[in-house]
Amino acid sequence: DAEITQSPRHKITETGRQVTLACHQTWNHNNMFWYRQDLGHGLRLIHYSYGVQDTNKGEVSDGYSVSRSNTEDLPLTLESAASSQTSVYFCASSASGGSTDTQYFGPGTRLTVL
Amino acid sequence: QQQVKQSPQSLIVQKGGISIINCAYENTAFDYFPWYQQFPGKGPALLIAIRPDVSEKKEGRFTISFNKSAKQFSLHIMDSQPGDSATYFCAASIDSSASKIIFGSGTRLSIRP
Repeated sequence: DAEITQSPRHKITETGRQVTLACHQTWNHNNMFWYRQDLGHGLRLIHYSYGVQDTNKGEVSDGYSVSRSNTEDLPLTLESAASSQTSVYFCASSASGGSTDTQYFGPGTRLTVL
Repeated sequence: QQQVKQSPQSLIVQKGGISIINCAYENTAFDYFPWYQQFPGKGPALLIAIRPDVSEKKEGRFTISFNKSAKQFSLHIMDSQPGDSATYFCAASIDSSASKIIFGSGTRLSIRP
């Protein structure tokens, strides 16, 4: 069965370190998204991609970067982790087309920045 | 700028009761309104969705009511069950925006047995 996976599921790091969160989907979806989930804020879009070599900034992109070298993967990098980036991160994917395409979410990565 | 406002933040309902979650939006260009359900430790999953050309959509015990003039929509869960305990997110999007969805802040629903 097609799926979307994230790794690691839990990560503790220190302020200033570079961290990369992995996202891998086997749906063969063109669209991929990264969100962060914080209490009281719901899901906020960090970066998104509509295909290989395409990346776009979302609502809360400062301090984050992504790259899309193939259809299956969209890694999220925190260049210099800050305590404000402690959060739960979700990756999602959807087929190409309009916004009515269902987004399929991964299980999430809980990141703690000390 | 919060484009989709959701309330309440948390809700406790007795088993068998009706759970109601409300959302309001600002951007009149939104033309697709999905609801996502999230269980603890899991990612959100699409529950039900509606377009503004209809005022109501029902799927089993879940119903979306939509009021275009008031720019409001709500999720009703009939005969609420303990298995419905989860966090619910309303959302809105513009079809032409190619999959970008704006989420509400979420409602944590607890169903008491």
